[in-house]
Amino acid sequence: DAKTTQPNSMESNEEEPVHLPCNHSTISGTDYIHWYRQLPSQGPEYVIHGLTSNVNNRMASLAIAEDRKSSTLILHRATLRDAAVYYCTSRGSARQLTFGSGTQLTVLP
Amino acid sequence: DSGVTQTPKHLITATGQRVTLRCSPRSGDLSVYWYQQSLDQGLQFLIQYYNGEERAKGNILERFSAQQFPDLHSELNLSSLELGDSALYFCASSVGASNEKLFFGSGTQLSVL
Repeated sequence: DAKTTQPNSMESNEEEPVHLPCNHSTISGTDYIHWYRQLPSQGPEYVIHGLTSNVNNRMASLAIAEDRKSSTLILHRATLRDAAVYYCTSRGSARQLTFGSGTQLTVLP
Repeated sequence: DSGVTQTPKHLITATGQRVTLRCSPRSGDLSVYWYQQSLDQGLQFLIQYYNGEERAKGNILERFSAQQFPDLHSELNLSSLELGDSALYFCASSVGASNEKLFFGSGTQLSVL
């Protein structure tokens, strides 16, 4: 199974950019990189996904390394509502999305 | 609101009992996934159904079973419950079969006493 490695926790100040890293050195060449986040007392929420090129949407940007062994989720201006656990996902043996332990993001006012 | 509906939100039961968790996917989604989230194990994939057929199986115990009905709603049945089965159970849905963008429900909190 592909594995992901993320820092356990990160802090950011409100209104500042946040860069959340993920290592996925065993990812298959054809597997997309998906990011989800889980707000307190809610189910995981899709954030963004990409294959090789950098991707942007209204929530975030995804920067993917050229060798695809790592990626960075970028929140351009963190708000208090962005405090959540952020998951970089991989594929399991049954091709299902596998969630690691994620990064707990704390946003300071 | 993800569009995925899970009922009940909370369930308290005793060891040895059987419970059924229900999930209604987003309109138009054909795949339903079940995940279990506990403090020590994180989010664990249990099983996926696509258009009524089992598509993928993860770490689902033999005491647990699921099915997807013709109207695409799904049920997860947990039997002979043990204390360790206490967890948040999430249902997710997606349009296709290949685990692209998943939409998660708000979960069912199961407490086994």
